[in-house]
Amino acid sequence: AQKITQTQPGMFVQEKEAVTLDCTYDTSDQSYGLFWYKQPSSGEMIFLIYQGSYDEQNATEGRYSLNFQKARKSANLVISASQLGDSAMYFCAMREEGYQKVTFGTGTKLQVIP
Amino acid sequence: DAMVIQNPRYQVTQFGKPVTLSCSQTLNHNVMYWYQQKSSQAPKLLFHYYDKDFNNEADTPDNFQSRRPNTSFCFLDIRSPGLGDAAMYLCATSWLAGASSYNEQFFGPGTRLTVL
Repeated sequence: AQKITQTQPGMFVQEKEAVTLDCTYDTSDQSYGLFWYKQPSSGEMIFLIYQGSYDEQNATEGRYSLNFQKARKSANLVISASQLGDSAMYFCAMREEGYQKVTFGTGTKLQVIP
Repeated sequence: DAMVIQNPRYQVTQFGKPVTLSCSQTLNHNVMYWYQQKSSQAPKLLFHYYDKDFNNEADTPDNFQSRRPNTSFCFLDIRSPGLGDAAMYLCATSWLAGASSYNEQFFGPGTRLTVL
């Protein structure tokens, strides 16, 4: 069974600083994909970044990077140079090979302080 | 721009009065999902369609039904809404081509349902 754990219900970060949002996962499958989504207060889920289990390089998308440690089953999101607009809920998610379903973590609420 | 559209954005219904939420997509994706999300919680998958194949989650109440008349449209029907069904309902799409496909989900803006 898939399981995603986000242990930080809330985080604060100073504007322009970097922040790491934690995500650990549990799967017995060797092939899977990991995703991060941002959900502002408006409610829409916005895809940020993807990491495949066989990808050797950590994924990066602009100010977002994913610190993927396969042996530890962690996929932390790093946001560099935080902006006020980064204040939102962040969800880590996973899809296992052969499954159409995506499992979401409970989310981390990030607040960027001016 | 290709996108996922949900109508209406806000829906108010009365206790027990059937309501239908709609989702359309211009992405031509083969998978469409419906999620229920309550305040400060993770999205909860209700069901999804893989092409025409309907996949219901085991814990989705019978009160929730879905229809996908064609690739572009998917509907969520709540037959007798209760107060506990007040939530944000998110539609998402994805393109899956085979077992090893990990394309991301594209979400619509959601419909916020209020039950009076």
